[in-house]
Order: sequence, then structure tokens, then C-alpha cells
Amino acid sequence: DVKVTQSSRYLVKRTGEKVFLECVQDMDHENMFWYRQDPGLGLRLIYFSYDVKMKEKGDIPEGYSVSREKKERFSLILESASTNQTSMYLCASSLDPRTIYFGEGSWLTVV
Amino acid sequence: AQSVSQHNHHVILSEAASLELGCNYSYGGTVNLFWYVQYPGQHLQLLLKYFSGDPLVKGIKGFEAEFIKSKFSFNLRKPSVQWSDTAEYFCAVNARNNNNDMRFGAGTRLTVKP
Repeated sequence: DVKVTQSSRYLVKRTGEKVFLECVQDMDHENMFWYRQDPGLGLRLIYFSYDVKMKEKGDIPEGYSVSREKKERFSLILESASTNQTSMYLCASSLDPRTIYFGEGSWLTVV
Repeated sequence: AQSVSQHNHHVILSEAASLELGCNYSYGGTVNLFWYVQYPGQHLQLLLKYFSGDPLVKGIKGFEAEFIKSKFSFNLRKPSVQWSDTAEYFCAVNARNNNNDMRFGAGTRLTVKP
């Protein structure tokens, strides 16, 4: 079974803090994704990566950056967290992008 | 880029009622279409997907969806819902020529009353 692991399930951070959300997949997938999920807005794509050190902006990249130094790991970085970044963050990976596997999500609260 | 609209934000049904959740997408090219489900406290799971061929697709747990190209629609159906179908349902689409770009609808919350 494919496993996509998000290391932090629940985080509470202060405004202005730098936040790292880590995601690891164990199936040698080329593609990895970060979404945020908000009520009434569904999942919105923040960034995706199709190879090591490669990244593409999604719909809402502002306020975020990503890092993909190794194939299995895709990190989402909030350089200076703000309250409007309080959300559920979902990582996903795929080999064939028609089949995407999701992690369990990271609940981030910024106070 | 492609976009997805789900018209119903919250649907409430009694057990054994029939279900149809609407999904429309906008994109001029060829697409792959998906329905995902998220049960309370759980991660997203794939219900069914359409790539090509028979436009009527059957998924897990008795769900099916029909791709109607002329209407840019991919509605989800189930003839008789159960209390355990209470969940949030997301329609998603990616373009065949840009498979990395998966876009989701806003989701429909389904509540099934026992």
C-alpha cells in the first residue's frame, strides 16, 4: 500500500512564525502536491512538484514556498504565518497523476 | 486552467433515498474525472474515476457516475443511500495534457439520517 505520511497532524503557531509542514511518501512517486482544504472552498492547489528540485505554482501559492530536495519528501513552508493560513493542509503523491494518494492532513491553527 | 463546480453544498437525505450530486467542469480539452469521498476524521479516498470508454463508471460502495461530454458534467449517483454514506464528496478533474494539475470542486456535504 502506498503511504503518504504527514509528520504533524495538529499544530498551533503564532502569527509571524516560520512553519514547516513535512510530507514523505514511500512509493518512489515522481509527483507530489500540497493542497489546503477549507469549508466551502474544497481543495485548492498550493504547489506541486514533478521531480526533485522542480516545483510549479498552483492556484494559491502566495505566502507559501516548497522544497523538494529528495524524491520522497516534499515540504511546505510558511515563511511568516498569518491567521488566514489557518487551515487543513493535505499532501498527496502520484506516479501516474490519474491516481493520487493523499496523506491524512495537517491541521494548522495560527493564533 | 480547468475548474470544477459542485452545485450542492449540503445535502440531507433519509436512508434508502436516492442520491445525485452534481459536478460540472470547464475545460476545452480532454479530461480525466474523479470523485473522492472524505468520511469524518478520515483522509480522502477515491470513489471512482473516468479516463475514457464507457461514460457510465461504477465505483466502490454502490456509487456510479456518468460522464456527459456535451454537458461537461460528471454527476455522482447512488440508488439507495445508507447512514454510513455520511461524508463530504469532492469532484475533481485534470487535463489529459497536464496531468499534474488536479483541480477540485468545493465539495458537497452529505448527511444521511437514519
